[in-house]
Amino acid sequence: DSGVTQTPKHLITATGQRVTLRCSPRSGDLSVYWYQQSLDQGLQFLIQYYNGEERAKGNILERFSAQQFPDLHSELNLSSLELGDSALYFCASSPSGEPNTGELFFGEGSRLTVL
Amino acid sequence: EDQVTQSPEALRLQEGESSSLNCSYTVSGLRGLFWYRQDPGKGPEFLFTLYSAGEEKEKERLKATLTKKESFLHITAPKPEDSATYLCAVQASGGSYIPTFGRGTSLIVHP
Repeated sequence: DSGVTQTPKHLITATGQRVTLRCSPRSGDLSVYWYQQSLDQGLQFLIQYYNGEERAKGNILERFSAQQFPDLHSELNLSSLELGDSALYFCASSPSGEPNTGELFFGEGSRLTVL
Repeated sequence: EDQVTQSPEALRLQEGESSSLNCSYTVSGLRGLFWYRQDPGKGPEFLFTLYSAGEEKEKERLKATLTKKESFLHITAPKPEDSATYLCAVQASGGSYIPTFGRGTSLIVHP
């Protein structure tokens, strides 16, 4: 158990809809990272928040947004969903703003299926 | 742009049959190279960090090595419980510090 909690574990929705994925980091970790994992793209970095502020941005679509709240939990919002958005979405956390040792603690992921 | 290529994509071994997984990388200055293990339906789990060419790290039946262009994950006398996808990631010393992941090698060890 990594200590990172993600909900929901599974989500099935229709094209055009909007969903919210939630992540609670490990106790004491200030950084939250969101990754998307699909069969053809592998693990792709989306966005990082550190202590409530956006810290780094990757290949995140404009239809997607995220935020980190004062209690450090984070939410990833996906809107105007398309079939291609079907994937596993992982949240990871680390103690500081930079994963100096490379060790990110990953949650078990949220599997999104868009029909 | 940082690139990480892992090979083979999939590997089937018999229990006890040692082998190696490869991770080749292109990065403008390596800050660190990381190996993760991912079980089906789970998130990646950190295994090792390597920082410089010549460095080696070991954990049970796994040994990771690093050269200037690639890393190997050697699996000695594997057991069925070693079956998983192994992911390699690199962190550049300049620019973004966010690890870039390869697509992984899916390892199946048959009893």
